[in-house]
Amino acid sequence: GQNIDQPTEMTATEGAIVQINCTYQTSGFNGLFWYQQHAGEAPTFLSYNVLDGLEEKGRFSSFLSRSKGYSYLLLKELQMKDSASYLCAVRPAGGGATNKLIFGTGTLLAVQP
Amino acid sequence: EAQVTQNPRYLITVTGKKLTVTCSQNMNHEYMSWYRQDPGLGLRQIYYSMNVEVTDKGDVPEGYKVSRKEKRNFPLILESPSPNQTSLYFCASSTQGLNQPQHFGDGTRLSIL
Repeated sequence: GQNIDQPTEMTATEGAIVQINCTYQTSGFNGLFWYQQHAGEAPTFLSYNVLDGLEEKGRFSSFLSRSKGYSYLLLKELQMKDSASYLCAVRPAGGGATNKLIFGTGTLLAVQP
Repeated sequence: EAQVTQNPRYLITVTGKKLTVTCSQNMNHEYMSWYRQDPGLGLRQIYYSMNVEVTDKGDVPEGYKVSRKEKRNFPLILESPSPNQTSLYFCASSTQGLNQPQHFGDGTRLSIL
């Protein structure tokens, strides 16, 4: 089966660093995406990892370990506007739908002053 | 501006009354997809389309139909809506390529009474 696990909720303080974990078990692997979704809005793309290691993009970084089926999203210098849900999504291998994404249920991050 | 446009944004209707949610993208993307998002269940794929006249079922297709007569449009049809189809719906599109993220519309909140 296909399974993606993320913590349901996290709380962090403005200015701090927070790490949001994601573990996955899928039929093959063609990359992992992180999306940000503010309440009632569309998900927006943050990062993509297909090779092991860390990808850095400003205040946001994403890490992947394919052997462990594990990724994390690291948010530095937290701002109040970072309060949102963070969705982990995996692109499985095989089949004709190479653009298919399987989403986790998301992690709701609350940034407090 | 590159975008995915869904209409309507909000709809309250009654059981059994056919409805269509439109989706249009202006990025010349081949791939389009419909998701529903429910609390605790995350984004689940309803139907997807790899290109014009090519559609296929996602993970939760029951009660829905789609068509792809033109590249830019991918309407979602509920022939006989039922209360369990009350949800937040998102249309997404992407170009082909494993590293290509999906771009989401602003969502349609459907309430079926």
